[in-house]
Amino acid sequence: RKEVEQDPGPFNVPEGATVAFNCTYSNSASQSFFWYRQDCRKEPKLLMSVYSSGNEDGRFTAQLNRASQYISLLIRDSKLSDSATYLCVVIPTDSWGKLQFGAGTQVVVTP
Amino acid sequence: DVKVTQSSRYLVKRTGEKVFLECVQDMDHENMFWYRQDPGLGLRLIYFSYDVKMKEKGDIPEGYSVSREKKERFSLILESASTNQTSMYLCASRSPDEAYGYTFGSGTRLTVV
Repeated sequence: RKEVEQDPGPFNVPEGATVAFNCTYSNSASQSFFWYRQDCRKEPKLLMSVYSSGNEDGRFTAQLNRASQYISLLIRDSKLSDSATYLCVVIPTDSWGKLQFGAGTQVVVTP
Repeated sequence: DVKVTQSSRYLVKRTGEKVFLECVQDMDHENMFWYRQDPGLGLRLIYFSYDVKMKEKGDIPEGYSVSREKKERFSLILESASTNQTSMYLCASRSPDEAYGYTFGSGTRLTVV
C-alpha cells in the first residue's frame, strides 16, 4: 500500500463549478500536510499548507481529518488556469523533513 | 524568494555514461533533496542531504550517488546510466520553516538511449 494515495482523475470540471478531492495517508504520526500544484512539464509549486483547523486561501479550501487520515482540497469558482495536477504531500514525524508525495490528481477545467 | 537552479533542462545520454546533474540553491538551506518523477508513480526520493558532506539514502538510491561539497550545491551522479533511469529529476531545497515545504528546481528531463 502506498504511503500517500490520491485518485489520479482526471476530474473534468466546467468553468465556474466547484471540485473537491481527497488524499489518504497511512502514517498516523504524520505531522505536516501540504497541497502542491504541478503544471504539465513544470516543477511542483506549493499551493497551500493544511492546518488542523482547516484553512482557506481565496477560492481554495483545505481540510485535515486526522481520525480518518485524509486531507482534502476544494476549489470554488474554477478557472481555466486551475487546470493542473494537484499533489498531496505529507511529512511524517522523525522523517528528517522528507516529504512523501501522492502521485497527484489531475484537474481539467473546461470552458 | 528561494531559488533552486538545475543546470540542465533536457539531457540525452547514452547507456553506460556517467551523468552529473547539478543543483544550486541560494538561501543557505541545510536540507536538499533529489527526486525522480515518473508517470503514475509520483515523486520518489533518491537521496537527501542535511548538511555539507552529509548524505542519506532515500527510497530508490540504487544506481545513484550524490555529492555535497558546498552548502549551496547538491549533485546527483548516475554512475552508469541505464534506460530505466530515463525520467524527470527534481532537486528541492527545504525551508527551515516547515510551513513552506520545499522549493523545487525546474527539473531535468533525462533520456538515456
